[in-house]
Amino acid sequence: NAGVTQTPKFQVLKTGQSMTLQCAQDMNHNSMYWYRQDPGMGLRLIYYSASEGTTDKGEVPNGYNVSRLNKREFSLRLESAAPSQTSVYFCASLGQLIYNEQFFGPGTRLTVL
Amino acid sequence: GESVGLHLPTLSVQEGDNSIINCAYSNSASDYFIWYKQESGKGPQFIIDIRSNMDKRQGQRVTVLLNKTVKHLSLQIAATQPGDSAVYFCAAFSGGSYIPTFGRGTSLIVHP
Repeated sequence: NAGVTQTPKFQVLKTGQSMTLQCAQDMNHNSMYWYRQDPGMGLRLIYYSASEGTTDKGEVPNGYNVSRLNKREFSLRLESAAPSQTSVYFCASLGQLIYNEQFFGPGTRLTVL
Repeated sequence: GESVGLHLPTLSVQEGDNSIINCAYSNSASDYFIWYKQESGKGPQFIIDIRSNMDKRQGQRVTVLLNKTVKHLSLQIAATQPGDSAVYFCAAFSGGSYIPTFGRGTSLIVHP
């Protein structure tokens, strides 16, 4: 049981390049999330998926797209990276609502030059 | 909307002391709360949770207190150890929502 896994762990992009951050969970959770974390700020929600086949915008969705490929996987895509997207990205998953315990991945540290 | 904040950005304690980290929330409909610990370079880790029908919940060396009247919760860490050094976040869920609101975090520094 690996929990929530993310790839890659580190990435450096040039402005305008594209990339996809991968996330997978093996806990059979319905809900999955993408957050970004910037110095001095809390976690900010980019997109979330309440269940397979559905996605919704969070607090800071501009410049990102997501795909809920199946119940296990939830990817985040940057179509044209900008320096403002330099951040640490965390994927999370949530099980039954009665528990509401979000499990976080180890994070992807992205730098856009 | 919901806002969740932490009173102190940094808390420094001596090893063996008890630590108290505070959190205020604004939405009276918040009914579930979680404390997370985030060590440098790692993802947030669940510590303890509490529902609004409780005032206190204890775990191993940690206690969470909830005061619904003033919309405040705290995390108490007993006999703080150097390994407790991390950033601590509170998160609030409202009305059965599966989207939490996170505070910015308090950095706990434990001096040996």
